[in-house]
Amino acid sequence: KAGVTQTPRYLIKTRGQQVTLSCSPISGHRSVSWYQQTPGQGLQFLFEYFSETQRNKGNFPGRFSGRQFSNSRSEMNVSTLELGDSALYLCASSLITGRHTEAFFGQGTRLTVV
Amino acid sequence: AQSVTQLDSHVSVSEGTPVLLRCNYSSSYSPSLFWYVQHPNKGLQLLLKYTSAATLVKGINGFEAEFKKSETSFHLTKPSAHMSDAAEYFCVVSEVRGGDDKIIFGKGTRLHILP
Repeated sequence: KAGVTQTPRYLIKTRGQQVTLSCSPISGHRSVSWYQQTPGQGLQFLFEYFSETQRNKGNFPGRFSGRQFSNSRSEMNVSTLELGDSALYLCASSLITGRHTEAFFGQGTRLTVV
Repeated sequence: AQSVTQLDSHVSVSEGTPVLLRCNYSSSYSPSLFWYVQHPNKGLQLLLKYTSAATLVKGINGFEAEFKKSETSFHLTKPSAHMSDAAEYFCVVSEVRGGDDKIIFGKGTRLHILP
């Protein structure tokens, strides 16, 4: 069974630009969560989608948004990029939602903002 | 308020010696607790989880953790370290409040294995 696939693996963007990251969950998983990982702040929860609806949201500004499609694939968008947005963005898929059981993580997309 | 504290940002042990990675948590509700491992340039992988069953939880690769409610701790241990254990380890607390699942990751402990 294929794991969680994140594309692209690496991205370099300029301040002020916008970026879209993609995540394909494990087949059959309907919950997709996004995390930002930085050396200073560690792993921080961005949001969770289940059945195309945002179920849970972390404490990030509105520049960070996401969506989920009917096939459970999810995209995350960051607009008006800032230098501080440079991070590893991890996506995780789970079979169910409502209570954290086990999340399967992708390898992440490393975003560098210059 | 819910929080997770990993007491050591770095731990170094010699190969073949025991490993102890410390985690303390704070939760107003009955939490679920997890340990994840992240190898360089990889995503996170679940090592083990506690969900109010047995307090001593066994995970993959010889790791185990004990939930101690009185000490609000969930320390990760392994009797004998292997070179392949070198990685970053995250303690995670999860609780459901008002229908929403709140998940907090600790800041991570980087484990170094000395030959």
